[in-house]
Amino acid sequence: AQSVTQLGSHVSVSEGALVLLRCNYSSSVPPYLFWYVQYPNQGLQLLLKYTTGATLVKGINGFEAEFKKSETSFHLTKPSAHMSDAAEYFCAVSPSGGTSYGKLTFGQGTILTVHP
Amino acid sequence: NAGVTQTPKFQVLKTGQSMTLQCAQDMNHNSMYWYRQDPGMGLRLIYYSASEGTTDKGEVPNGYNVSRLNKREFSLRLESAAPSQTSVYFCASSPLFGGSSGYTFGSGTRLTVV
Repeated sequence: AQSVTQLGSHVSVSEGALVLLRCNYSSSVPPYLFWYVQYPNQGLQLLLKYTTGATLVKGINGFEAEFKKSETSFHLTKPSAHMSDAAEYFCAVSPSGGTSYGKLTFGQGTILTVHP
Repeated sequence: NAGVTQTPKFQVLKTGQSMTLQCAQDMNHNSMYWYRQDPGMGLRLIYYSASEGTTDKGEVPNGYNVSRLNKREFSLRLESAAPSQTSVYFCASSPLFGGSSGYTFGSGTRLTVV
């Protein structure tokens, strides 16, 4: 079975500062990896995903994430935070095979606060 | 450009009452899912339907039933609501089961059981 751990339930940054949200996963088969964002009282929106190929993936709103197989990590970064980035972010994993195939497993979420 | 539509958006139930949460997608997706979201626990899979005509249990199916009415619609039923089912419920869909495209989510149903 796969699992996802997001380090830090709350992250606070200043506007213009680097955003780093951490995600580690476990999966017995090569995973598909995703980051979703949830704004207050809304559903989840896909930010970016890793499937195969290039390990550095770029998403919407200037976010990017790097798949590091040796570290089983998929951390989300943005060079310069904007006030509009304040939201909750979820890392998720879906195995490419095995008994959990097809099912997306989410981390606990990280609430990002951006202050002026 | 509706995507995934959930109704109702808010609901308050008394313990023991029943209700059905509705979900419909207009993207011709094959697979549909129901999740619940609780603070600090992320989203947990309740039931899913890999394709029209099939349904399967997820991580937390107890107290729930589902119906894949047709390719577009996937409903979640609470037969006898309990306070532990107070949560935000999300429906999602994907083009294929097991694909790498990710899911498209609805805007959620906020359910309170008193």
